[in-house]
Amino acid sequence: AQKITQTQPGMFVQEKEAVTLDCTYDTSDPSYGLFWYKQPSSGEMIFLIYQGSYDQQNATEGRYSLNFQKARKSANLVISASQLGDSAMYFCAMREGSTGFQKLVFGTGTRLLVSP
Amino acid sequence: NAGVTQTPKFQVLKTGQSMTLQCAQDMNHEYMSWYRQDPGMGLRLIHYSVGAGITDQGEVPNGYNVSRSTTEDFPLRLLSAAPSQTSVYFCASSRGRPSSYNSPLHFGNGTRLTVT
Repeated sequence: AQKITQTQPGMFVQEKEAVTLDCTYDTSDPSYGLFWYKQPSSGEMIFLIYQGSYDQQNATEGRYSLNFQKARKSANLVISASQLGDSAMYFCAMREGSTGFQKLVFGTGTRLLVSP
Repeated sequence: NAGVTQTPKFQVLKTGQSMTLQCAQDMNHEYMSWYRQDPGMGLRLIHYSVGAGITDQGEVPNGYNVSRSTTEDFPLRLLSAAPSQTSVYFCASSRGRPSSYNSPLHFGNGTRLTVT
């Protein structure tokens, strides 16, 4: 079963606008962690933000925030004030407590293109 | 700190050849893992290790072997390369328990492997 679903293969946004990248997940484990990674065209994987299943508040890291809706099992990434350098692939990923948090499962990614 | 170092960056093999992808980390991380990235499929877990002497299979382990003799090193061996193993390979590490659930993976820069 697909654990992480990213339904947007590609997204376009204009510079300085906000954009939301969708991520839904599937787990019956009460303990889990959700992560977002950025992969620019150079290929490296860059960790952006983390949300734990027991966290009461949505995570924020600079221009990145995570819209965590536990009941809907969604963990959307919000990028505010987009910059040209935000053009990249973005991956949502999850670690579950039932596996001892040893496996990080990734979605298929969303390609974001920021235009001037 | 160098972080996670992968070698080589590029490799071309002929079908049936064997090779070892090297991975080393200098962060004293207990957890290490190998992923492959194919277009449209995100990152898929090949093998992982929760400490020296302990390894386990991920989602796509066939055709690959691993060992973990030290905390720092986690090589990935292709025993008899096949064209289906053409991919980009990432090594990643993170802290282990008890904080592994919220510990992001730190990735190497990847190895682009082509099997002809």
